[in-house]
Amino acid sequence: AQSVTQLDSQVPVFEEAPVELRCNYSSSVSVYLFWYVQYPNQGLQLLLKYLSGSTLVESINGFEAEFNKSQTSFHLRKPSVHISDTAEYFCAVTLYSSASKIIFGSGTRLSIRP
Amino acid sequence: DVKVTQSSRYLVKRTGEKVFLECVQDMDHENMFWYRQDPGLGLRLIYFSYDVKMKEKGDIPEGYSVSREKKERFSLILESASTNQTSMYLCASSLRTSGSYEQYFGPGTRLTVT
Repeated sequence: AQSVTQLDSQVPVFEEAPVELRCNYSSSVSVYLFWYVQYPNQGLQLLLKYLSGSTLVESINGFEAEFNKSQTSFHLRKPSVHISDTAEYFCAVTLYSSASKIIFGSGTRLSIRP
Repeated sequence: DVKVTQSSRYLVKRTGEKVFLECVQDMDHENMFWYRQDPGLGLRLIYFSYDVKMKEKGDIPEGYSVSREKKERFSLILESASTNQTSMYLCASSLRTSGSYEQYFGPGTRLTVT
């Protein structure tokens, strides 16, 4: 069975500093990978996804994630964070064969200090 | 834009009451999901449905049931609410064959059972 591990439950950073949110997955078969974001008092929304092709994927608000098959990782990065990035971030995985069902990690709460 | 709505943002119920959480999506999605979200545990799948009147158990179905009589509506039922069901409940929907596998989430219902 597949699983997702987010190594950090909370990440505090200063505004304009870089950030990396770590995600590792385990699966014996090929997977699709996602990052979802949950802003305060809202539901989740898709931030970016890796389905195939280039291993580096980007979001419209400056986040990027790189699929590393050998290390089974999909870490999320941003070179310079803004106060508005304060949110909880969830890494998620789904199997090629059962792509409707997504397994979520436990989440990383990103807090930005001015 | 896809819209997923949930009947209540906040709900307070007493132990033993029957509780209905309603979810409606307006984009003709085949798949619908109910999750519960707890701090440090991420999202855990309770039930999902691939079509009208179809349902499958997720990872934590005990104490819950669901109903899907119409394509756009997916209801979560707590037959006899207990305090350990106090949680945030999130509904989501997705297209079965879109190739994107993105799930669209409602804003959530925070349920407190006293």
